[in-house]
Amino acid sequence: AQSVTQLDSHVSVSEGTPVLLRCNYSSSYSPSLFWYVQHPNKGLQLLLKYTSAATLVKGINGFEAEFKKSETSFHLTKPSAHMSDAAEYFCVVSEGYNTDKLIFGTGTRLQVFP
Amino acid sequence: SAVISQKPSRDICQRGTSLTIQCQVDSQVTMMFWYRQQPGQSLTLIATANQGSEATYESGFVIDKFPISRPNLTFSTLTVSNMSPEDSSIYLCSGGGTGVGEQYFGPGTRLTVT
Repeated sequence: AQSVTQLDSHVSVSEGTPVLLRCNYSSSYSPSLFWYVQHPNKGLQLLLKYTSAATLVKGINGFEAEFKKSETSFHLTKPSAHMSDAAEYFCVVSEGYNTDKLIFGTGTRLQVFP
Repeated sequence: SAVISQKPSRDICQRGTSLTIQCQVDSQVTMMFWYRQQPGQSLTLIATANQGSEATYESGFVIDKFPISRPNLTFSTLTVSNMSPEDSSIYLCSGGGTGVGEQYFGPGTRLTVT
């Protein structure tokens, strides 16, 4: 069965410093992986997705993630945090091959301090 | 991409009553999904709704409690029946159908049961 584990429930950074949100996955095949962001009182927005093409995936708002099969990881990074990045971030894996059903991680709350 | 709207955005209901949540997509999508997000937690899939067939429910969710309709490719409803305070959650719908797991989410319906 497919699953994702988000290693940190909370991450706090100062504005202008790098962001690292960690995610490990478990899958019996090459998975499709996603990062979604949820701002307070707003819907979920897709940040980026990996679907077996380039292992370094660039997303919106300066975020990127690297698929590392040897480490079963899909960590989300950003070189310089902005106050507007404060939100809940979900690492997500597709349930199966060629399916739209998603399995969500438990989420990481990112706080950005001035 | 698709833009998804939900009605109502929030509601306060009395225990024992039912609430129907509407989900409208601005373009045709093959699959629609209903999720529950309890306070401070991740998303849990309730059911998958395809047009012209009965919804497929996840473990722990039953049709009598959460009946779903999917009359066409742009619309779905979820009813929360015989509500109790434990049903207080955010209910989100999403649309998909690309086969690679990408979903577009509505803003959610915040339900409080008193």
